[in-house]
Order: sequence, then C-alpha cells, then structure tokens
Amino acid sequence: QLQLQESGPGLVKPSETLSLTCSVSGGSMRSSSYFWGWIRQPPGMGLEWIGSIYHSGTSHYNPSLKGRLTMSRDTSKNEFSLKLQSVTAADTAIYYCARGPIEVGATTWFDPWGLGTLVTVSS
Amino acid sequence: DIRMTQSPSSLSASVGDRVTITCQASQDIAKYLSWYQQKPGAAPELLIYAASTLQAGVPSRFSGRGSGKRFILTINSLQTSDIGTYYCQHYDNLPLTFGGGTKVEIK
Repeated sequence: QLQLQESGPGLVKPSETLSLTCSVSGGSMRSSSYFWGWIRQPPGMGLEWIGSIYHSGTSHYNPSLKGRLTMSRDTSKNEFSLKLQSVTAADTAIYYCARGPIEVGATTWFDPWGLGTLVTVSS
Repeated sequence: DIRMTQSPSSLSASVGDRVTITCQASQDIAKYLSWYQQKPGAAPELLIYAASTLQAGVPSRFSGRGSGKRFILTINSLQTSDIGTYYCQHYDNLPLTFGGGTKVEIK
C-alpha cells in the first residue's frame, strides 16, 4: 500500500524559502504511469494545486506561484521535494503531497494523499 | 484557468437522506472531473474520477454523474461517517483547479 509522508520546517520567516520533502513508501517513483504532486490548503480554506513532477523529471507549476517554485525528485531515495521562494503570510497552509495516474499523457486526479504538514510563515 | 463552482457551500441533512452536490465548470471539461471527501482534521480522499467511476473501496452510496460543464455528486442514505467537506477537481488542462467545497453536516 503506497504511503506518502511530508516533512520540513513548520515555521518559515517571511522572504525566506519554504522547503518540503515527500517520502514515498510501499511503491517506486520510477514508474512512468504516475505523476507526483503538491497541493496546499490555507487554514479553513479550500485546496490549491501547487505543481506536479513526472518520472522524467519534467514538472508543471501553478502560474499563480509566479516563478517562486521549484520541484525536484530523487528516485534513488524515493522522494520528491518543493522549494517555494520569497514566502509571505499568504503561503501559510497545510501542504499535502500526493500521487496520481497519468492518463492519455496528462495529469489527472490525486490518490493517495499524505497526511499533510502545516507550514506557518511568520517572523 | 477553469473555474469550478460548487453549490451549495454547506448543507445539513438527516441520516438516511439523499444528498446532492453540484459542481459547475466555467468551460467544457468533458468527463475530466474527480470528487474528494475531506473529513475534519484529515487529508482529502478520492471518491470518484472520470466524473462517474467509483474509486476502489468507496461505499456504493456515493455516485457521480455529468459531463461537459455540470456535474453532480450524490450520497444515497447519508451516514454520520459522511460528515466533512467535499471538493470537485477538474483535470482537463493545467492549472488543475478545485471547487470551493461543500460542507456536509448532520441535522
């Protein structure tokens, strides 16, 4: 059974870089049948897709993040990561990592999800 | 970006009731739609993909239908374990976007 676990600092200062890692267990990231993604949820609010990365290393980002985002993956460690630069209070959220199937060459739905990790941006 | 609009934003129903949640896309997304359930304090879980395909392990009281711009999630015979917030998500193109959510409570 595939499981995902987010890790990283729970508190980041404004203007600094938020870095999170998602560790995958119970399955391999080497499969070309899946993509790996990040989604976030500000406290009490809805869900926002952050970005997705594929086994090839190709990634797609939400344009709303305006060039602040970098995603990477390390298939030898079975983990993928995100770095979000120049954070503000608006980046305070629960960050989830998830996997999804690639259908007709495209990103699709998310299943399963990690438990999520709360990141607060504050000085 | 494709805008996903859910209605209602919240509802209260009795155990055993039939509940329907609507998701409207701002443009035609064929059947590229998924539904999630998020229980309080937990991560979202996939219920339905391709508008009407039930994810393995999801109770059969959940069903989805629709295509194009209008989609419906139905819970037949609401149970106390169904409380939470429900989200739709399109995957017709990028960026992926979610609906604003529908909070379901027990009356």
